[in-house]
Amino acid sequence: DTGVSQDPRHKITKRGQNVTFRCDPISEHNRLYWYRQTLGQGPEFLTYFQNEAQLEKSRLLSDRFSAERPKGSFSTLEIQRTEQGDSAMYLCASSFPLWDRGSLRNTGELFFGEGSRLTVL
Amino acid sequence: GENVEQHPSTLSVQEGDSAVIKCTYSDSASNYFPWYKQELGKRPQLIIDIRSNVGEKKDQRIAVTLNKTAKHFSLHITETQPEDSAVYFCARGTSYDKVIFGPGTSLSVIP
Repeated sequence: DTGVSQDPRHKITKRGQNVTFRCDPISEHNRLYWYRQTLGQGPEFLTYFQNEAQLEKSRLLSDRFSAERPKGSFSTLEIQRTEQGDSAMYLCASSFPLWDRGSLRNTGELFFGEGSRLTVL
Repeated sequence: GENVEQHPSTLSVQEGDSAVIKCTYSDSASNYFPWYKQELGKRPQLIIDIRSNVGEKKDQRIAVTLNKTAKHFSLHITETQPEDSAVYFCARGTSYDKVIFGPGTSLSVIP
């Protein structure tokens, strides 16, 4: 399968613990996004990368959240000192940026992983 | 602001009828407007998108219209079928920026 993969699929943790999620994007995609989704809501933007550069982090995002994409391939999202309000589905997506016309396959489409569901007790 | 508003939040239609979902945005730099469908327990998937240089795009039973002046765009599904039941998200983006999603519309098609 050459789609976006995320690990772990499910994580249950106690309040105050740290958790880390991993995303492996489609290999030729240079843009990678993290979104958070709660029940009945749309994907909420957290942060995104162009290759290894983090272009933006949501202003609404606590300093407890940090993301990296050290070699421009896989990415990790870490949440420190988890709170019950952090419980959600964390979605990763990859794409080509819209301005990259180098690939005829580029449509701007985001390809999502299946998500990592976090439950904080 | 960069957010997208979406209406209605829930929509029920009889099989065979049409469904329309509307979204509005305020960032005039937006030039890319995709629509994603998310079935229960699954990941969002792109169903159609439109760029700012066109006013309408159609793909079989699905069409999207864009009014850049009024800053709104809509999804139209004709001849709805039970398998169209899902949550639909509109989104906006620019050539150089991130994609922001609306809150979603839960569509139920009643057989």
